[in-house]
Amino acid sequence: GQSLEQPSEVTAVEGAIVQINCTYQTSGFYGLSWYQQHDGGAPTFLSYNGLDGLEETGRFSSFLSRSDSYGYLLLQELQMKDSASYFCAVEDNQGGKLIFGQGTELSVKP
Amino acid sequence: DVKVTQSSRYLVKRTGEKVFLECVQDMDHENMFWYRQDPGLGLRLIYFSYDVKMKEKGDIPEGYSVSREKKERFSLILESASTNQTSMYLCASRRAGAGLETQYFGPGTRLLVL
Repeated sequence: GQSLEQPSEVTAVEGAIVQINCTYQTSGFYGLSWYQQHDGGAPTFLSYNGLDGLEETGRFSSFLSRSDSYGYLLLQELQMKDSASYFCAVEDNQGGKLIFGQGTELSVKP
Repeated sequence: DVKVTQSSRYLVKRTGEKVFLECVQDMDHENMFWYRQDPGLGLRLIYFSYDVKMKEKGDIPEGYSVSREKKERFSLILESASTNQTSMYLCASRRAGAGLETQYFGPGTRLLVL
């Protein structure tokens, strides 16, 4: 089976950098993705890592190491609007379905 | 503008009722998914469909069924609602064979079963 672990809560201040880790156990997958969900809203796609290494999209970066079964989402220059839940997910290579972690609630303080 | 819509944002039903949750997408996507979201558990896949008339069980299909009679519509059915099905239900669609950036979620239906 597949399982993903991420911290339940993270708190940081405006302007800071925060890293949200995701460790996984999976028999096989295409890649690791990250989603953002504001309270009451729909999850929205942030980034995807199909290969090991760092992917950068503006203030957000995501990293994957398949050998360590580990990935992270890095948020720089934090803004209040970044307060949300962040989910990592793996795409199962035996059907293409997404398996999600339990989510990390990020609180950005002034 | 891409869009996945769900029939209701909030729904209150009684135990034993049959409940229909509707999801419609206007992007001509082949793949559609139903998830439920509960605090501390993240999103869990209930059922998914790769095309019209096709359906596959996800991780937690018990107590649910689905229908995909048209490409744009994917319905989730609770045959006899129970209180443990109180949850947020999220529908998603995605283009077949395309990257995850093409997967879009609907706004969700918050279901309360009394």
